[in-house]
Amino acid sequence: ETGVTQSPTHLIKTRGQQVTLRCSSQSGHNTVSWYQQALGQGPQFIFQYYREEENGRGNFPPRFSGLQFPNYSSELNVNALELDDSALYLCASRTGGDEQYFGPGTRLTVT
Amino acid sequence: AQSVTQLDSQVPVFEEAPVELRCNYSSSVSVYLFWYVQYPNQGLQLLLKYLSGSTLVKGINGFEAEFNKSQTSFHLRKPSVHISDTAEYFCAVDTGGFKTIFGAGTRLFVKA
Repeated sequence: ETGVTQSPTHLIKTRGQQVTLRCSSQSGHNTVSWYQQALGQGPQFIFQYYREEENGRGNFPPRFSGLQFPNYSSELNVNALELDDSALYLCASRTGGDEQYFGPGTRLTVT
Repeated sequence: AQSVTQLDSQVPVFEEAPVELRCNYSSSVSVYLFWYVQYPNQGLQLLLKYLSGSTLVKGINGFEAEFNKSQTSFHLRKPSVHISDTAEYFCAVDTGGFKTIFGAGTRLFVKA
């Protein structure tokens, strides 16, 4: 158990819709990162938030956005869903040090 | 830019045999190196990490890895595997900034 939770566990959406995924970090973890893991691939970095501000972004379009809240929870929002957005979405939190603690992920299916 | 190459997509091995999962990385700066394990339908669990110091790193579940700077490698080893070690293993690099780069993964399949 890493103390990081994600909801929902599974989600099915239709192309063009919008989705919000949620992550709850451990208390004191002021940094949260989101990753996309397509089937059979390694996780790809989407972005990172530090003290409620985005401070790094991977190669993902602006329709992927996020929020981080003072209570150590965060959200990943994806607009205009595409079929290729189907993946496992992982959040990971840390205190700013080297070790990240991953949640169990949300499996998103876009039809 | 950093990159990670896991040289084997699948590694089948018999129970109680030794195993090595290979990882090479590319970076122009110093890196932190990690190995994670992912069991089916679960998130990632940290096996071990190299930050600095001794190049032989010991992790959980009897795994160890050796950092080789000249060969830019960080291979994962276990002297005797169990059925329960069947999982996906990911090598990752981090420059201490915000972005962790993962390899494509190696599926370890332990056979009875």
